[in-house]
Amino acid sequence: GAVVSQHPSRVICKSGTSVKIECRSLDFQATTMFWYRQFPKKSLMLMATSNEGSKATYEQGVEKDKFLINHASLTLSTLTVTSAHPEDSSFYICSPQGLAQSGSQFFGPGTRLTVL
Amino acid sequence: SQKIEQNSEALNIQEGKTATLTCNYTNYSPAYLQWYRQDPGRGPVFLLLIRENEKEKRKERLKVTFDTTLKQSLFHITASQPADSATYLCALTRGGSQGNLIFGKGTKLSVKP
Repeated sequence: GAVVSQHPSRVICKSGTSVKIECRSLDFQATTMFWYRQFPKKSLMLMATSNEGSKATYEQGVEKDKFLINHASLTLSTLTVTSAHPEDSSFYICSPQGLAQSGSQFFGPGTRLTVL
Repeated sequence: SQKIEQNSEALNIQEGKTATLTCNYTNYSPAYLQWYRQDPGRGPVFLLLIRENEKEKRKERLKVTFDTTLKQSLFHITASQPADSATYLCALTRGGSQGNLIFGKGTKLSVKP
């Protein structure tokens, strides 16, 4: 399967600060990146989709000015949670997609964000 | 709206038995359905994909069925082992891109030795 990394794996921050999460696709070119989040005992929910070099498309209810996504290269995408609040505490997971994939999808190991 | 349900939040079975997990969906006709394994604090790991024109798919001790009339998929693990203990997620492609997935809440499987 594809190799995907995320950094950091966990982060604790104070309310009001911004946190950047990196997602790297290590062995294929990610033309599209999906960002999901998962609250405790809830299903993974898609937050946004970005294509390399383009602006991200956000799902309903996800604030684009709060969750900034950069997908400037085919191997790196970043998600920045701006002015984080305790309700943003969640498990954030990226999922890259290349042109060659066929049905199955690979996910990063996730980043646990805790906002105090 | 599209819904996907995994009926059991948790399933406990004895080692060696077959685990059967259920996934039902409504208001949707997916081109394919996927099953993932998720361990605590980790991202999902892809297990199997089954297409709408396939009835059954196997991979080692795993078997998935897909009944588009019932709108249901069953996921079986035969000869279960304690190492199979994890949460298993069912996911459907929402359309457009393959990575745009709707996930069920998952079933937490515990295999007792």
